[in-house]
Amino acid sequence: KAGVTQTPRYLIKTRGQQVTLSCSPISGHRSVSWYQQTPGQGLQFLFEYFSETQRNKGNFPGRFSGRQFSNSRSEMNVSTLELGDSALYLCASSHRTGVGKTQYFGPGTRLLVL
Amino acid sequence: GESVGLHLPTLSVQEGDNSIINCAYSNSASDYFIWYKQESGKGPQFIIDIRSNMDKRQGQRVTVLLNKTVKHLSLQIAATQPGDSAVYFCAEEGTSYDKVIFGPGTSLSVIP
Repeated sequence: KAGVTQTPRYLIKTRGQQVTLSCSPISGHRSVSWYQQTPGQGLQFLFEYFSETQRNKGNFPGRFSGRQFSNSRSEMNVSTLELGDSALYLCASSHRTGVGKTQYFGPGTRLLVL
Repeated sequence: GESVGLHLPTLSVQEGDNSIINCAYSNSASDYFIWYKQESGKGPQFIIDIRSNMDKRQGQRVTVLLNKTVKHLSLQIAATQPGDSAVYFCAEEGTSYDKVIFGPGTSLSVIP
């Protein structure tokens, strides 16, 4: 099976712009979670989608949003970019939701905000 | 933000020695714990997990120990190899909040 894929792998934006990142989960997986990874804050949970519904949300401002399509592919959007949004954004998929699900991570999208 | 308490130490071990990576968690309601390995340029990779009703679980060359009394988790790697060099994260999840919370990570460096 192909693993989790994320596009683009690298992105440079300027403050105030918006960005959309894409994640294709492992075939058959219906849960997609997004994480932000920075040196200072580590890995922080953004949100989880399961069967096109947001199931859980982390402590991020409303500028961060996401969605999931019927084929389980997911996108996340960050509007009005700030310098502090520079990070590695990771997507993880799982065949189910709930505690104890095994997550498989993609390689991430590295976003640099100038 | 929320985090499992691990203050980003680095650990250097000789090839062939055993490694022990420690993690303190803060939420006594957590009932599922996971260790991940992240190599440079890659996403985290699942290593081993343990439920709160267990205190030890073994995998291939890895063992996870859970001490709920002191809210402590450890990962033991036997016969450490150069390919084990990576950042290791512990993570916790609980039915009351049902999202994965990661620790800050430990960088393991294996000396050939």
